[in-house]
Amino acid sequence: QSALTQPASVSGSPGQSITISCTGTSSDVGTYNLVSWYQQNPGKAPKFIIYEVTKRPSGVSNRFSASKSGNTASLTISGLQAEDEADYYCCSYAGRNTYVFGTGTKVTVL
Amino acid sequence: EVQLVQSGAEVKKPGESLRISCQASGYRFSSYWIGWVRQMPGKGLEWMGIIHPDDSDTRYSPSFQGQVTISVDKSINTAYLQWSSLKASDTAMYFCARPQVSWGGFDYWGQGTLVSV
Repeated sequence: QSALTQPASVSGSPGQSITISCTGTSSDVGTYNLVSWYQQNPGKAPKFIIYEVTKRPSGVSNRFSASKSGNTASLTISGLQAEDEADYYCCSYAGRNTYVFGTGTKVTVL
Repeated sequence: EVQLVQSGAEVKKPGESLRISCQASGYRFSSYWIGWVRQMPGKGLEWMGIIHPDDSDTRYSPSFQGQVTISVDKSINTAYLQWSSLKASDTAMYFCARPQVSWGGFDYWGQGTLVSV
């Protein structure tokens, strides 16, 4: 059960869109439409921002959107804002009541 | 309101034992699995394992199997993460988190417990 692969860092200017990829395998991302995404600010617990690949929990900005193709899931942040600067993690259900997290991506707003 | 409240920071020596807790409120505790996530200093999130309070069915990540014990006391709506012999490499922040019934993701998180060994 290896960690899902994410780019270490992604950056963009305010107002731009950025996309973070999350690559797994046919045992996790590729099989289950159960990918979630989390935003984590320093010293804080992760915040749940996407579930079941594309769905946003109540209260999460619609600037966050997500998708999946094959073994790769993606998170897009549109209209990038300074407050979006944080670490982002994907997570996939991996069968038999287990999960695997991504390696994490640091988003920098230039 | 759903809340997961974790026990406070711990400072321990190598070889000591430790149990940290996560008390749930605001929902039917026995109806949801509850899991643990490790975050080593400056590193990413790692899924450790999960337990169902109703029957204590427990699943571990291969990386943590045999290294920790996850348990639960449903009479007090509390999940536990336990070590029998701590190592310096166990120094980390530990989060409890509740997965959705649909397994879609972890919708509620504890505030974290910092363990320093």
